[in-house]
Amino acid sequence: GESVGLHLPTLSVQEGDNSIINCAYSNSASDYFIWYKQESGKGPQFIIDIRSNMDKRQGQRVTVLLNKTVKHLSLQIAATQPGDSAVYFCAEIYQGAQKLVFGQGTRLTINP
Amino acid sequence: NAGVTQTPKFQVLKTGQSMTLQCAQDMNHNSMYWYRQDPGMGLRLIYYSASEGTTDKGEVPNGYNVSRLNKREFSLRLESAAPSQTSVYFCASSDRGETQYFGPGTRLLVL
Repeated sequence: GESVGLHLPTLSVQEGDNSIINCAYSNSASDYFIWYKQESGKGPQFIIDIRSNMDKRQGQRVTVLLNKTVKHLSLQIAATQPGDSAVYFCAEIYQGAQKLVFGQGTRLTINP
Repeated sequence: NAGVTQTPKFQVLKTGQSMTLQCAQDMNHNSMYWYRQDPGMGLRLIYYSASEGTTDKGEVPNGYNVSRLNKREFSLRLESAAPSQTSVYFCASSDRGETQYFGPGTRLLVL
């Protein structure tokens, strides 16, 4: 079946460095993608989204890149801070569907 | 604007007991969802309601029932709890079925 997955389950970075979290998707009909951040003991929090007619979208310290050719999504976090420590999920939805499909998540840890 | 709220925050049940998890949203969203999240896992959809008066099964509906009480409220019921239902349950809502906004979760332990 269709699925959204992540290349790496854990990622450790030095404080101040840039972080890149990757995600692969398999449904070529997916036209909307979202990144969520989940801190320990809390619900997922929306970070940024991107539609399939875009390649890149920037937010505050975050950038999402979409490569439809290889069905790859990435989240870049600039100047990583301790507060960025969390599990990051990508999710996809395809046209007309009401349901998001979530990946398993990548845990980002920040080294001081 | 509280967003999505869930009650209770934590619950312990014995096998066979029943309970209802409550969810409410104040964003006037049409769609609401129930997910479960097991340790080290992603979110799995249990049931969803695309609009008031409709409900549909998700990926893992067995052992659960839902009620879309009105536009604001969407409840999840466990009729006879089993240890396999120990999990963290999240409710979410969305305006047009896209970006979903999540509640803080209910942690359920079934002994």
